Amino acid sequence: EADIYQTPRYLVIGTGKKITLECSQTMGHDKMYWYQQDPGMELHLIHYSYGVNSTEKGDLSSESTVSRIRTEHFPLTLESARPSHTSQYLCASSAAGRANTGELFFGEGSRLTVL
Amino acid sequence: QKEVEQNSGPLSVPEGAIASLNCTYSDRGSQSFFWYRQYSGKSPELIMFIYSNGDKEDGRFTAQLNKASQYVSLLIRDSQPSDSATYLCAFLSGGYQKVTFGIGTKLQVIP
Repeated sequence: EADIYQTPRYLVIGTGKKITLECSQTMGHDKMYWYQQDPGMELHLIHYSYGVNSTEKGDLSSESTVSRIRTEHFPLTLESARPSHTSQYLCASSAAGRANTGELFFGEGSRLTVL
Repeated sequence: QKEVEQNSGPLSVPEGAIASLNCTYSDRGSQSFFWYRQYSGKSPELIMFIYSNGDKEDGRFTAQLNKASQYVSLLIRDSQPSDSATYLCAFLSGGYQKVTFGIGTKLQVIP
């Protein structure tokens, strides 16, 4: 079982609120990712990081921001939530270097609903 | 052209039959290829990965890779109702080492 955790699992919040989705992993993985997935739709990469102080935007434009101050922690923040941000957010990690088979380990996801 | 093309399905097969799932990709620099299974409302989980041309077998699952044709497939033998899920094809790009996913094929195994 993968050791990657996301909180909260479910969040219902009003428009304009600031939210932070937490993601932590205990596998010592250098690479971490945030994917966004609407029900029945494909996964879209919105942010990734190759290590501490490294963050990049993914393929899908997102108003969210991320930070990577510690290897194990990769939080995602929305400064002002809107209904269009309603979605499932999946955090994942993978090993780097020789240990990197490319396999992603996913957290259980954070389902965000903005009213 | 999408980086990863999959038929979204649904693909319906009777219990005990072979389910065949297909995927094409556009990035010739792709190094590794993956099949993830995603149950409704759950996160994806890795079933198989393959990086060499040919077949790779693991239990009831066989992944097939043809780099010249930019084609990867997944065969599920003796399909079970518990195999009903969405199967995501993905590849690891050579340049940025990112994993890109297809839309996924929804498989329904009919008892």
